[in-house]
Amino acid sequence: DVQLLESGGGLVQPGGSLRLSCEASGFMFSSYAMSWVRQVPGKGLEWVAVVSGTGLTTYYADSVKGRFTISRDNSRNTQDLQMNSLRAEDTAVYYCAKHRGGYVYGMDVWGQGTTVTVSS
Amino acid sequence: QSVLTQSPSVSAAPGRRVTISCSGGSSNIENNFVSWYQRLPGTAPQLLIYDNNRRPSGIPDRFSGSKSGTSATLAIAGLQTGDEADYYCATWDTTLSEMVFGGGTKLTVL
Repeated sequence: DVQLLESGGGLVQPGGSLRLSCEASGFMFSSYAMSWVRQVPGKGLEWVAVVSGTGLTTYYADSVKGRFTISRDNSRNTQDLQMNSLRAEDTAVYYCAKHRGGYVYGMDVWGQGTTVTVSS
Repeated sequence: QSVLTQSPSVSAAPGRRVTISCSGGSSNIENNFVSWYQRLPGTAPQLLIYDNNRRPSGIPDRFSGSKSGTSATLAIAGLQTGDEADYYCATWDTTLSEMVFGGGTKLTVL
């Protein structure tokens, strides 16, 4: 079965840091770009960041550029999102998602999501 | 403000056909593949349509996608109450170097 399992969410104070992880199984991990997508409660989906299959190419939404870093370890089939300088507006459910190929293609597998709450 | 524009809501009776539109521009929809996602309440998004008009295995042929110029459309035929969900379009934006989503359309099956 193709699966993505996120972990690392929680409650953090404004200005703090959190690292999300996504463990993949059931497919050739290194062949696919991987993204993080978030959803603020009551709002729409917002793409956050993507990393290419090799890990050499990354792109970020303007709202997180300079604060978040996406990375992957193809030897462990994992991808991470390091989130620094967190703000209240980063509060959301964060989903790990697999692209169908490169990062320009749609996302065909999604994790169940992990909740990040930024609050004092 | 989303780069891709969707109507906030649409409604129709069971058994009817509904269309959801997604409007963008030359840097996104016109020159890149469009995908559509369904988000049922309390669940993770699910890919409905990829590469403008292709369905993943397991998605009923009641769901179809099309693209023309800078707009894309999701059509759902034979509406069922279980189709009540939020629907999102998405594509890569070449100018922004970002994946962009529409604001989402809430489908109500009356």
